[in-house]
Amino acid sequence: GPKVLQIPSHQIIDMGQMVTLNCDPVSNHLYFYWYKQILGQQMEFLVNFYNGKVMEKSKLFKDQFSVERPDGSYFTLKIQPTALEDSAVYFCASSFRDWGGAEQYFGPGTRLTVL
Amino acid sequence: QEKVQQSPESLIVPEGAMVSLNCSFSDSASQSIWWYQQHPGKGPKALISIFSNGNKKEGRLTVYLNRASLHVSLHIKDSQPSDSAVYLCAVSSHDTGANTGKLTFGHGTILRVHP
Repeated sequence: GPKVLQIPSHQIIDMGQMVTLNCDPVSNHLYFYWYKQILGQQMEFLVNFYNGKVMEKSKLFKDQFSVERPDGSYFTLKIQPTALEDSAVYFCASSFRDWGGAEQYFGPGTRLTVL
Repeated sequence: QEKVQQSPESLIVPEGAMVSLNCSFSDSASQSIWWYQQHPGKGPKALISIFSNGNKKEGRLTVYLNRASLHVSLHIKDSQPSDSAVYLCAVSSHDTGANTGKLTFGHGTILRVHP
C-alpha cells in the first residue's frame, strides 16, 4: 500500500541546536501532519499543512517549530532551538483529503533525542 | 478539547479468541472514529473507521459506535498471533470549527495473542 517515509529514523542532538525532520508523503496526497509521541504517552497532534499553509496547530507547536514543503519536496518539521522536552518520536502523516473520514497514512517515525 | 480513553490497558488472549476493545470520547460532535494498529518501531496503520451510529464490519473486524453514550468498540474475531500489537482509538475533531482532519488519540490497548 501507500507508504510515508521519514528521514532520519534516529537523531541525537545537543540542546539549543537546530534539527530538521524530513517526511516523504504519499505522492498524490495534499494534506500533511506531524504528531509527537513521548515515551509511554499517547500520540499528540502538532500541526497540519495544506497548500503551503498551516491549517491548524496545537499548543505543543511552539514558536520554535516551523513546517514547510517547498515545491513538492520533503515535508519538513524544523525545531530551532531544541529543548530537552522536545525528545520524542515524531510521526509524519499524509492524506488525500482533510475531512475526518479520510485515512491518514503514517510514517515509521523519527526518534529525536535532545541531550 | 477532545479526550479519548481506552480500556483495557492490556489484554492477553489465546489464539482464536474474540477480542473486544473499548474507547470513550468526550465530544458528541466528533466526526469519524478510527482504529489504528501499531507494531513496535512502526507507525500506526489504519484498520477501520466509523462515522454513523451502529456497526460496521470488515473481514474479522467489527466496530460499534454509540454517539449518545460517547462510546465505540472494536471486536476482532478469531484472533491470530499476528494481531499482537497496540490498538489505538483516534477521533477526528476540530477545535477551530474548520475541518482539518486533526486526530486525537487514546493511550492504546496492548494486545497479545498467544498460540
